[in-house]
Formats: sequence, structure tokens, C-alpha cells
Amino acid sequence: DTAVSQTPKYLVTQMGNDKSIKCEQNLGHDTMYWYKQDSKKFLKIMFSYNNKELIINETVPNRFSPKSPDKAHLNLHINSLELGDSAVYFCASSQGSGGTLNTGELFFGEGSRLTVL
Amino acid sequence: AQSVTQLGSHVSVSEGALVLLRCNYSSSVPPYLFWYVQYPNQGLQLLLKYTTGATLVKGINGFEAEFKKSETSFHLTKPSAHMSDAAEYFCAVSGGTGNQFYFGTGTSLTVIP
Repeated sequence: DTAVSQTPKYLVTQMGNDKSIKCEQNLGHDTMYWYKQDSKKFLKIMFSYNNKELIINETVPNRFSPKSPDKAHLNLHINSLELGDSAVYFCASSQGSGGTLNTGELFFGEGSRLTVL
Repeated sequence: AQSVTQLGSHVSVSEGALVLLRCNYSSSVPPYLFWYVQYPNQGLQLLLKYTTGATLVKGINGFEAEFKKSETSFHLTKPSAHMSDAAEYFCAVSGGTGNQFYFGTGTSLTVIP
């Protein structure tokens, strides 16, 4: 039983298209994240949700819109895709409430590799 | 504020040799420190973590790390490298509000037969 699952694992699309990546966790965690990993393996946090509420929103183009229908799901929708959006996107979850010290580790999904042509 | 510096983006060791991956952190509050491993085409997996207590922490696959507050370091070691250890390793620190983790830029470990 996969703890944090993302779909799709691979996504190839043309510039200008809109695409979504879905994430679900079955760990009962209340905080979920989206990270972007570029070609140099650098990990950058994009968003964090705690109990469906946005708590971290880093400097990310507003073409990226996260949606959390419930605390077990955090989806990422990307409008008007650009070449620079090509990356691996990781979903993660942790146990911990927003605004308090989080001592728990992050649990990652396997990633969704997005290629924009 | 917190930050992490990993010295050496690429490290090569011979099979059976000591693995040493360096991590230094900066934190204005007591840090919680983590090492993650990423195998090719996979997500990140926790190797070990330091929160409180014993400063020498043992993790999976024979890895360990020691928290040295005076040196603000959390270096990862393994006495004898295996071919299967070839992967990307990330050091991370947390301690801020809002569940913020700060990752280092990663170290790619190559194991030479």
C-alpha cells in the first residue's frame, strides 16, 4: 500500500497546454506539500497545505494552482505550460500542524516527471 | 532562519571504502536534522534523523550521522560503501514555523567497483 501516491508518473505535453498532477496520502497526515526538483536535483518547495488550508506559498507563478479537496489529497494544476516548467514534481506529507514546530519527517511520493516540448 | 550547505556536489568512493558526506547547517532555533536518499527515478526516502537526545544517530543501510552543535555539522558516514549506495543524498533542517523544511543542494554519490 503506497503511502504517498502521485499520478501520473510521466507527463509529456506541448507548451501552452494545461495539466494536472494528483497526490493522495494514506498516512493520516495533516500537512501536504509540493516540491519541484530541477535538472540539477535542487529541491524547491512550492506549496504547503495544512488541513486543506494554504500555509506556504513560495514565489511561484500564478499559473500554478494547488487544490486540496480534503487533507488526504493535494492536487497541482498548471496553466499555460512553459519550457521552464519541465521538472520532476514531488508531493510529500508530514504530521504536524501549521505554525508549530514540525519534528516529523517528510514522506515523499515517487515524483511526476513533466516534460514540456 | 535556517539553511543547509552540503560540501561537494559529487563524491566518488571505491567499493568498500568509507563514505563521508558533509552537511553544515545554520539555524536560529534548535535544529531538527535529516538525511534523505534518492535512488534514480525514485522519491526521497528518509535515511536517518536527529531531533533530540543522543547525538550519534543510526539509520538504514548502515549509515549514521553525528550532530555536532559546536561545528554546526551533521555529516553522514558509512564504514564500507556498497554499489547499491550510489544515489543522491540530501541533508535537511527544520525548526521554523509552518512545517518548513530546508534542503541542501544534494550530493551525488558514485561507488566505483
